[in-house]
Amino acid sequence: NAGVTQTPKFQVLKTGQSMTLQCAQDMNHEYMSWYRQDPGMGLRLIHYSVGAGITDQGEVPNGYNVSRSTTEDFPLRLLSAAPSQTSVYFCASSYDEGSSYEQYFGPGTRLTVT
Amino acid sequence: GDSVTQMEGPVTLSEEAFLTINCTYTATGYPSLFWYVQYPGEGLQLLLKATKADDKGSNKGFEATYRKETTSFHLEKGSVQVSDSAVYFCALSSLIQGAQKLVFGQGTRLTINP
Repeated sequence: NAGVTQTPKFQVLKTGQSMTLQCAQDMNHEYMSWYRQDPGMGLRLIHYSVGAGITDQGEVPNGYNVSRSTTEDFPLRLLSAAPSQTSVYFCASSYDEGSSYEQYFGPGTRLTVT
Repeated sequence: GDSVTQMEGPVTLSEEAFLTINCTYTATGYPSLFWYVQYPGEGLQLLLKATKADDKGSNKGFEATYRKETTSFHLEKGSVQVSDSAVYFCALSSLIQGAQKLVFGQGTRLTINP
């Protein structure tokens, strides 16, 4: 049981490039989400999904796209990278939408945009 | 909207000292409250949680009590160890439009010196 996995661990992009951050979970969780972590700002929700085929925007969705074709995978796409997207990105999953349930986090992807 | 405020860091203590990290929240409805911990180079992991007023969450010697009257969820530990050095995040979880949303505080970096 690997939990939540993310690839790559580190990435450097030039402004304007696009890329996809991968996230997968093997816990059969319905709920998955993407956060970005910036110094002094905690974690902020980018996009989330309550099940395959269903996604919605979080607090800071601009410049990012998601899709959820399977329960296991929830990739995050940067359409045209900007320096403001330099951050650490975390994927998380939860087995229920109820507010009391723990979210399980991946190890993160550190992205630098130059 | 919902928000979480944590005490400013960084916090530096000596081993065996008493720890308090303050956390207050603003929320409509009845959120669940969490403390997550992030060790260096890792993702977040749940430390403890409380789902209703007056609940006490506890784990690894850490405790926090859900205080509705003061809208607080302060983290305490009686005797800290070097291995407790990490960043601690207070968070609330509420159901918004049928989906769980985690709102994080900005994080408090804790360093324990031997």
